[in-house]
Amino acid sequence: AQSVTQLGSHVSVSEGALVLLRCNYSSSVPPYLFWYVQYPNQGLQLLLKYTTGATLVKGINGFEAEFKKSETSFHLTKPSAHMSDAAEYFCAVSVTNGNKLVFGAGTILRVKS
Amino acid sequence: NAGVTQTPKFQVLKTGQSMTLQCAQDMNHNSMYWYRQDPGMGLRLIYYSASEGTTDKGEVPNGYNVSRLNKREFSLRLESAAPSQTSVYFCASSPGPSIWETQYFGPGTRLLVL
Repeated sequence: AQSVTQLGSHVSVSEGALVLLRCNYSSSVPPYLFWYVQYPNQGLQLLLKYTTGATLVKGINGFEAEFKKSETSFHLTKPSAHMSDAAEYFCAVSVTNGNKLVFGAGTILRVKS
Repeated sequence: NAGVTQTPKFQVLKTGQSMTLQCAQDMNHNSMYWYRQDPGMGLRLIYYSASEGTTDKGEVPNGYNVSRLNKREFSLRLESAAPSQTSVYFCASSPGPSIWETQYFGPGTRLLVL
């Protein structure tokens, strides 16, 4: 069964610093991988996704993620954090039995001024 | 377009009461989903509907029922609420049932069961 592990339930960075949010997955078949963001009191919205092709995926708001099959990872990065990036971030893997997403537990990103 | 809308935004129930959470989408999507979000557990799928007229259980279906009323609407019913069902509930939709489709989420319903 597919599963997702997000390392670190809380990450704190200074404004302008690198953002790195870690995600590892387990899957017996090539996965489809997603990062969603949830701003306070809102629903989730897609940041980026990996389906096939280029392993470096660019998303909205300057975020990107790299699919590394050998490491079963899909870490999310942003070169320079902005105060508006403060939110909860969820990594998810799509399972083959129907369009079902399996979510990680989430990482809350705090950006300090 | 409003996207995915959910009603109510917030609800307090007593143990044993019933209620229906409503969800509608105006994006002409075929597939719809209900999730619950609990602290430290991410989102877990309760039920989904790959297309109009079909529904299937997700990871945590016990205590819930769903109805795909038409292509736009997908409701979630709690027949006899329990404190363990205190959670934030999200409805989502996607163009189709393919596993690479993006899901679009509503703003959520916060449910407190006393």
